[in-house]
Amino acid sequence: DSGVTQTPKHLITATGQRVTLRCSPRSGDLSVYWYQQSLDQGLQFLIQYYNGEERAKGNILERFSAQQFPDLHSELNLSSLELGDSALYFCASSVDYNEKLFFGSGTQLSVL
Amino acid sequence: GESVGLHLPTLSVQEGDNSIINCAYSNSASDYFIWYKQESGKGPQFIIDIRSNMDKRQGQRVTVLLNKTVKHLSLQIAATQPGDSAVYFCAEDGGTSYGKLTFGQGTILTVHP
Repeated sequence: DSGVTQTPKHLITATGQRVTLRCSPRSGDLSVYWYQQSLDQGLQFLIQYYNGEERAKGNILERFSAQQFPDLHSELNLSSLELGDSALYFCASSVDYNEKLFFGSGTQLSVL
Repeated sequence: GESVGLHLPTLSVQEGDNSIINCAYSNSASDYFIWYKQESGKGPQFIIDIRSNMDKRQGQRVTVLLNKTVKHLSLQIAATQPGDSAVYFCAEDGGTSYGKLTFGQGTILTVHP
């Protein structure tokens, strides 16, 4: 167990809908990262937050947004969902920058 | 570089053999490298890391070698066990200070009893 908690584990929804994925980092970790894993793109970095502030953005679509709350948990919001958004979404956390990331077990999103 | 998930390289070994998984990275500015193991249905699990000021680092049954000249990283697993069967990813930080990691495509390791 990495100590990073993600909910829900599975999410099935329809095109056009909006969903929220939740992540609780390891105790003491200030950085939270979101990654998307799909068969054709592998693991892709989406966005990073550090102590409530956005620090880095990767290949994140404009339909996606995230935030980190004062208690350090983070949410990833995916809207206007398309079939191609079906993937595993991982949250990871670390104490600080350039430190090893600890990953949660992911949320499997299926858009039908 | 970008990770492409199609047709992952595979490595099959017998239990007890040593395994070597290779990874070529693209960004010469990368300063920090990590190996992760991902089992089916689980998130990537940290194995070992190395910074660019080192050539070699050892952990329990694992060794990471870094060759900055040819931008190559390898993971050696000693006395491979069936429980080591998984997909192994190398990741690099691209020289950024934010901890954003770029993952390689992964290698499927299968250990036969």
